[in-house]
This record gives sequence, C-alpha cells and structure tokens, in this order.
Amino acid sequence: EAGVAQSPRYKIIEKRQSVAFWCNPISGHATLYWYQQILGQGPKLLIQFQNNGVVDDSQLPKDRFSAERLKGVDSTLKIQPAKLEDSAVYLCASSDRILAFYEQYFGPGTRLTVT
Amino acid sequence: KQEVTQIPAALSVPEGENLVLNCSFTDSAIYNLQWFRQDPGKGLTSLLLIQSSQREQTSGRLNASLDKSSGRSTLYIAASQPGDSATYLCAVRSNDYKLSFGAGTTVTVRA
Repeated sequence: EAGVAQSPRYKIIEKRQSVAFWCNPISGHATLYWYQQILGQGPKLLIQFQNNGVVDDSQLPKDRFSAERLKGVDSTLKIQPAKLEDSAVYLCASSDRILAFYEQYFGPGTRLTVT
Repeated sequence: KQEVTQIPAALSVPEGENLVLNCSFTDSAIYNLQWFRQDPGKGLTSLLLIQSSQREQTSGRLNASLDKSSGRSTLYIAASQPGDSATYLCAVRSNDYKLSFGAGTTVTVRA
C-alpha cells in the first residue's frame, strides 16, 4: 500500500511571496489533515477534511492560509503572503475512520523556510 | 481544550537500558491515544494506537499503557538500541475527534 505523498519536500521563499503544497493521501482514506510543525514543537492541526468537506479549520490563519480538497482525494495548502513565522514543516496525514479508528498515517512533510 | 504534556523533553540512556516515556492529558474524555516516532527531517511514523476502552497495547519491544482516569499514558521501550534514537510524540484524540499533540520527548541511546 502506497503511503501519503507530499511535494515539494523543501521550499525556500521570501516573505510576502506565495507558496503551495500538495498532498495525496492513502487510497481510500476519507479523512485528510494538514499540520504545521514549528521546530521543537508538536504538530498543530491547521485543517481537517472529511471527503471534500471541512471538518475543522479553527486554527487555520484564514487571512493568509487556504486549503482545498476538490474531489475528495488530493489536497492543496496555500500561503499567501508568507511571513517569517510561517517557517515550519507542513505535514499531511490521512486516516480511515471505519477500518482504523482514525489511526493517522503521515507523509514526509514539506520544510518551508521564509527569508 | 485538551492539553498534552510530555516529560521529560529529552532523555539520554546507554544501550540496553529500558526507556520510559510519559504523556499526560487534561481531559479524560478521549476517543484514543496514539504514539508516534519522528526521525530528524522526516514525517511521523505510527507506533501504537490505544482505544479508550483498552489499558495497553504491545508491539515487539514497545508497550504502551493508558490510564484514562488519571490522564496518563506511558510508552515503554525494552532493551533500547541506538536505532531507537528519535523524538517520540504522543497524540490524544478527544471524543469530539479533535487531535492534540504533545511537544515530544527526544531520546538518545548511546552505544
């Protein structure tokens, strides 16, 4: 079974630029998550999708971050414009509620550096 | 709001010693608890998941216990090896299905 795929793996941008990350979850997983992990901290949930609907986006800075999962499969997270404090690893995860009690499987992450 | 704490933040042990990693949470109304391993620059790898009705889960040298009433979980790693060096994260899923992570314990196993 293929794992969660993310791209790019690394990205360096200047502040005020925009950036987009892509995630393809494990086949058949209805739930998809985007996390932000700042160095030395645990991951913080940004947004959770169930199929193509948003379940929780309470911690997403909506003035600059947006995410979509149009066909209920892969997803894109965008930051526009980026700030220095957005430097972090962005992790995507997926889970299957029915078979695995929401056990989450993570992708390798995208490391973003904002200069 | 669920708060998850992991103590200690870092741990260094000689090879062969047993590891004990602690996780505490403030709201006992949980759906499940999951332990992850994270290697530098990598994503998270699931180690064990304990449902709220369970007291423990085991996989090889790993054993995780859950005491919901006291808001604690412990991850035991027997006979540690240098390859066990990593950061271990605890994540609690509350009954509203929201997930909260601790900051992790960074483990170094010295050869």
